[in-house]
Amino acid sequence: SQQGEEDPQALSIQEGENATMNCSYKTSINNLQWYRQNSGRGLVHLILIRSNEREKHSGRLRVTLDTSKKSSSLLITASRAADTASYFCATDAGNYGQNFVFGPGTRLSVLP
Amino acid sequence: DAGVTQSPTHLIKTRGQHVTLRCSPISGHKSVSWYQQVLGQGPQFIFQYYEKEERGRGNFPDRFSARQFPNYSSELNVNALLLGDSALYLCASSFDREVYGYTFGSGTRLTVV
Repeated sequence: SQQGEEDPQALSIQEGENATMNCSYKTSINNLQWYRQNSGRGLVHLILIRSNEREKHSGRLRVTLDTSKKSSSLLITASRAADTASYFCATDAGNYGQNFVFGPGTRLSVLP
Repeated sequence: DAGVTQSPTHLIKTRGQHVTLRCSPISGHKSVSWYQQVLGQGPQFIFQYYEKEERGRGNFPDRFSARQFPNYSSELNVNALLLGDSALYLCASSFDREVYGYTFGSGTRLTVV
């Protein structure tokens, strides 16, 4: 079974609006990472947040982590059509046997 | 600097056949992992190799095997292909996954007919 579960499964917004995606997980983690995937191609690493961090920024991206609720959120501000993609959270328990555990993803559509 | 390269990009095989997928990591990356992504789902972990040794294995049958070579490139082998093996197979390499995360290749799209 998958560790992370993204919510919503799909999101459609207008250009310029903000997009928020959420991720919930089940077990303790070392870090949580967000990835983007365009049209079934390879995944692109966006941001990594450690278990002792609460918030992290990278350009238009803002990630929060609440280990007490076992949840994370990814905020994309001032979205662009080029942000249209699937977004996945991946949890890393530091256990080589598990490696990264990805959720099913959120499909974001940014309409011009 | 070249990214993670995978070959072939697309492949069509018949049930029962064998397939070998190849991956070259980023120069300097000693860790390679393989993931299977079925359409509409997130990637599922298959194997991780570090310094030519298997460091982790996901919940996949013994039909799946892999190895890593002295130059850190890797092969994923799947025997006795089933229709359900149709998926995008992703290779990822890392210098330190807990610091930098993974860099993924573009994947090999395998279709089993």
